[in-house]
Order: sequence, then structure tokens, then C-alpha cells
Amino acid sequence: RKEVEQDPGPFNVPEGATVAFNCTYSNSASQSFFWYRQDCRKEPKLLMSVYSSGNEDGRFTAQLNRASQYISLLIRDSKLSDSATYLCVVKRGDSSYKLIFGSGTRLLVRP
Amino acid sequence: NAGVTQTPKFQVLKTGQSMTLQCAQDMNHNSMYWYRQDPGMGLRLIYYSASEGTTDKGEVPNGYNVSRLNKREFSLRLESAAPSQTSVYFCASSERRDTAFFGQGTRLTVV
Repeated sequence: RKEVEQDPGPFNVPEGATVAFNCTYSNSASQSFFWYRQDCRKEPKLLMSVYSSGNEDGRFTAQLNRASQYISLLIRDSKLSDSATYLCVVKRGDSSYKLIFGSGTRLLVRP
Repeated sequence: NAGVTQTPKFQVLKTGQSMTLQCAQDMNHNSMYWYRQDPGMGLRLIYYSASEGTTDKGEVPNGYNVSRLNKREFSLRLESAAPSQTSVYFCASSERRDTAFFGQGTRLTVV
């Protein structure tokens, strides 16, 4: 079993739709959580950090459930420019600070 | 502020040749990472360095060696390149539980 698991998709949605991605992690030593965005095999770029209290950045909302070891990302009012691969990322809280990536969920937003 | 710089951006090697991928960061980060990404797959951790003077194997270390030359630089060496090492290689750096920043990647083809 992979340490970080995501549904690979693709999610194919019309502009304006709301879409949600889920991610589970298996290592309870994980302490920091992030969503990254990756376009066409360019370098991943931080979309947002994820906090237990939940956090929002414009159209994007991230949630963390430590008890269930579950992370989510909600995108509202999807834009064509949101088409990308979304990577769930977990960082260990031990001295390694090892950064583990999910395999990514691909989003296609159509006109 | 350059962030994370990788060289070269592109490279073609013949089977059996050796080469070193260079990575440098100017953010005074302690942790540095090397990942590979194959088509349709997520990022897989090759090696990481939690701090200057330490290196550890990741998920796919076979065929690679690393050197944490100083706090800024973390190099990845392929001693005898194989076609299976054709991939995009990303270097990243981070500080403790904070987010990671990535270089633009090295696209390596082994023929």
C-alpha cells in the first residue's frame, strides 16, 4: 500500500462546476500536509497548505481529518485554467522531514 | 531570488555513461530532495538529505548516488546510466515542516 493515495482521475468537469479531491495517508508520523499543482510535467508548485481547522484560499478549500488520516481539496466555480494535476503531499514530523507525494489527480475543465 | 536551480535542463546519455545532476538552493533550507517522475506517474523519492552531512535512501535509490556538498548543494549521480533511468528529475528543498520548493527539472533520456 502506498503511503499517500489519491484517485488518479481524470475528473472531467464543465466550467463553473464544483469538484472535490480526496487523499489518504497511512503514516501517523505525518505532520504537515499540502496540495500542490503540476502542469504538463513542469515542476510542482504549492497550491495551499492544509490545517486541521480547515483553510480557504479564494475558490479553494482544504480540509484535514487527522483521526481518519484523510485530506481533501474542494475547488468551486472551476475555471479552464484549473486544468492540471493536483498532488497530495505529506511531510513526516520525525527528524527526516521526508516529503511523500501521492500520484496525483488529473483535472480537466471543459468549456 | 533564484530559489532552487537545477542543471542541466536537458541531457541525452548513452547506456553506461555517467553524469551528475546539480542542484543548488539559496533559501538556507536544511532539507533537500531528489525525485524522479515517469510518464503518467507521480513523483518518487530517490534520496533525501534532512540536513547538511546526512543523506538517506528514498523509495527508488538503486542506480543512484548523492552528495550533500554543503547546505546549498545536493547532487545526484548516475554511475552507469540505463534506459530505465529515462525520466524527469526534480530537486526540491524545504525547511522542517514548511512547504517545499522545486527546481524546474532535468529531462534525461538514456539511449
